[in-house]
Amino acid sequence: AQTVTQSQPEMSVQEAETVTLSCTYDTSENNYYLFWYKQPPSRQMILVIRQEAYKQQNATENRFSVNFQKAAKSFSLKISDSQLGDTAMYFCAFMRPGAGSYQLTFGKGTKLSVIP
Amino acid sequence: GAGVSQSPSNKVTEKGKDVELRCDPISGHTALYWYRQSLGQGLEFLIYFQGNSAPDKSGLPSDRFSAERTGGSVSTLTIQRTQQEDSAVYLCASSLPRGSSGGSTDTQYFGPGTRLTVL
Repeated sequence: AQTVTQSQPEMSVQEAETVTLSCTYDTSENNYYLFWYKQPPSRQMILVIRQEAYKQQNATENRFSVNFQKAAKSFSLKISDSQLGDTAMYFCAFMRPGAGSYQLTFGKGTKLSVIP
Repeated sequence: GAGVSQSPSNKVTEKGKDVELRCDPISGHTALYWYRQSLGQGLEFLIYFQGNSAPDKSGLPSDRFSAERTGGSVSTLTIQRTQQEDSAVYLCASSLPRGSSGGSTDTQYFGPGTRLTVL
């Protein structure tokens, strides 16, 4: 079974600064997808970024980028120019395509607070 | 609608009562998932639908939990004889059919969830 570990339960960052959230996972698979989801107090889970394991290039979405280290099974999220609206829970998630249900396995989450 | 919708937003019930939670996926999304988010267990997968069939029910915690999907669209998660440990946020997600063009078929889009409180 796959496991996802987020070792930072809580983090804070000053507005406009950069912060990195860590995520490690355990799998014996070679083909899989990784995701970062954001959950603000409204509860709505919002996709931040996704990475296909077969792609060596790190995914980027505006201020959000990942550092994907496949050999190390690490998938960290970097948020640049942090904004107050980035305050939320951030969940790292793993999916193994072709495994039948394509269910997501989530980490426990990191609570990020952006300080004005 | 534009996104996944869920109803009710909040549900308070008494122990032993049955509850029904509803999910309306994004139009055209044939895959539908239910997850449970609780303080102690984090986010857990419950069940997966492809069309109206549920090939993976492995996450349902007990036989008090069941789900159905009709017309390849709306899904209902039913919890019978609710217990206090059922208190959680129940999230629904949907995704495109595999092989669809113009977007990721493996990205799940979530609804706002239903917060269930069992007294």
